[in-house]
Amino acid sequence: GAVVSQHPSRVICKSGTSVKIECRSLDFQATTMFWYRQFPKQSLMLMATSNEGSKATYEQGVEKDKFLINHASLTLSTLTVTSAHPEDSSFYICSARDPRRGGDTGELFFGEGSRLTVL
Amino acid sequence: AQSVTQPDIHITVSEGASLELRCNYSYGATPYLFWYVQSPGQGLQLLLKYFSGDTLVQGIKGFEAEFKRSQSSFNLRKPSVHWSDAAEYFCAVGATGGSYIPTFGRGTSLIVHP
Repeated sequence: GAVVSQHPSRVICKSGTSVKIECRSLDFQATTMFWYRQFPKQSLMLMATSNEGSKATYEQGVEKDKFLINHASLTLSTLTVTSAHPEDSSFYICSARDPRRGGDTGELFFGEGSRLTVL
Repeated sequence: AQSVTQPDIHITVSEGASLELRCNYSYGATPYLFWYVQSPGQGLQLLLKYFSGDTLVQGIKGFEAEFKRSQSSFNLRKPSVHWSDAAEYFCAVGATGGSYIPTFGRGTSLIVHP
């Protein structure tokens, strides 16, 4: 099946620094990728929709200046957590639709997730 | 807008026992329905999906789910659970002809006793 790779899987940073998480579609082109945040024992919260070549669409309540999203190519989207604070510690998951496979149905292919810990 | 309800936060079963995880959805038309599984510290993997046709769908790892329109349900089943099935299970509904951003349920944590 379609493969989405996320890196790094774990990152620890100091408060006030910025962290970048990459999401790549390895065997398909993804014009749209989605970034989710997951708190312990909870469901996925959609943060934003990343659109190749244009601005990301953020969900209500998500600070666009805090969570910078760039979708520079058809296979790469990045999420940068700027000036990170301990409350930003979370599990971040990216996903993408494969236009060849269920792209207009809501079927998503997920990355492995990135565990961010801000000290 | 669509919504998904997974009424059970935790389900505990013995290894070898049968399993049913419940999922109810709310959507005005025929939805696209999905079950995903998440192992600890991992992303989500698609178990199975329903788009149309046969209402009983088979998935990977021996799972199946049945779409019941009259009950707005899409329950996940497995006849014999293995210890490796312990994970978090998410039901999701995708809108047809819309923005196709799926809505996820809150998840059900499956605990398997030996």
